[in-house]
Amino acid sequence: AQSVSQHNHHVILSEAASLELGCNYSYGGTVNLFWYVQYPGQHLQLLLKYFSGDPLVKGIKGFEAEFIKSKFSFNLRKPSVQWSDTAEYFCAVNARGSGAGSYQLTFGKGTKLSVIP
Amino acid sequence: EAGVTQFPSHSVIEKGQTVTLRCDPISGHDNLYWYRRVMGKEIKFLLHFVKESKQDESGMPNNRFLAERTGGTYSTLKVQPAELEDSGVYFCASSQHGRVSTDTQYFGPGTRLTVL
Repeated sequence: AQSVSQHNHHVILSEAASLELGCNYSYGGTVNLFWYVQYPGQHLQLLLKYFSGDPLVKGIKGFEAEFIKSKFSFNLRKPSVQWSDTAEYFCAVNARGSGAGSYQLTFGKGTKLSVIP
Repeated sequence: EAGVTQFPSHSVIEKGQTVTLRCDPISGHDNLYWYRRVMGKEIKFLLHFVKESKQDESGMPNNRFLAERTGGTYSTLKVQPAELEDSGVYFCASSQHGRVSTDTQYFGPGTRLTVL
């Protein structure tokens, strides 16, 4: 079974600070990796995803994530956060393939980010 | 293009009552998923439809939950009878046709269910 661990429950940063949110997963096979974000009052939306190729993935709004296979990690980064980045961030994985169970996303518990102006 | 929509946005019911949640996926999306987030916990998978067929229902908690997707368009999730532990936010998501696990799942706004 897959599992996802997000290390921080709540992160508070000042504007312009750098951000790194940790995500580690546990799974015996090949996975696809995702970061979703939920802004206050809005629905979950995809920030970025990785399934092959360059392990450094760039997403929307200046976010990027790096897949480190040896560490089973997919940490999210942003060099300079803005107040508008205040949101809850979710790391998720699913199994690479086309079998019945491949599509379900397994989520971490989420990290709430508060950016202080 | 309209996104995934869910109805109602909030529902408050008493223990033992029945509630039906509805999800309208993005037009043309064959894959439809239900997830649930209980307060303080992670978002958990419930089930996956491909068109009108249940592809994977391994996450359904028990037989009080019944999901349908008649005609392969919208889906309903019925909870009968509701219990206190069913409270949470129920998310629906959809993704395009094809059995490709890398497809992006687009989420709806969720239905917040409170069972008193």
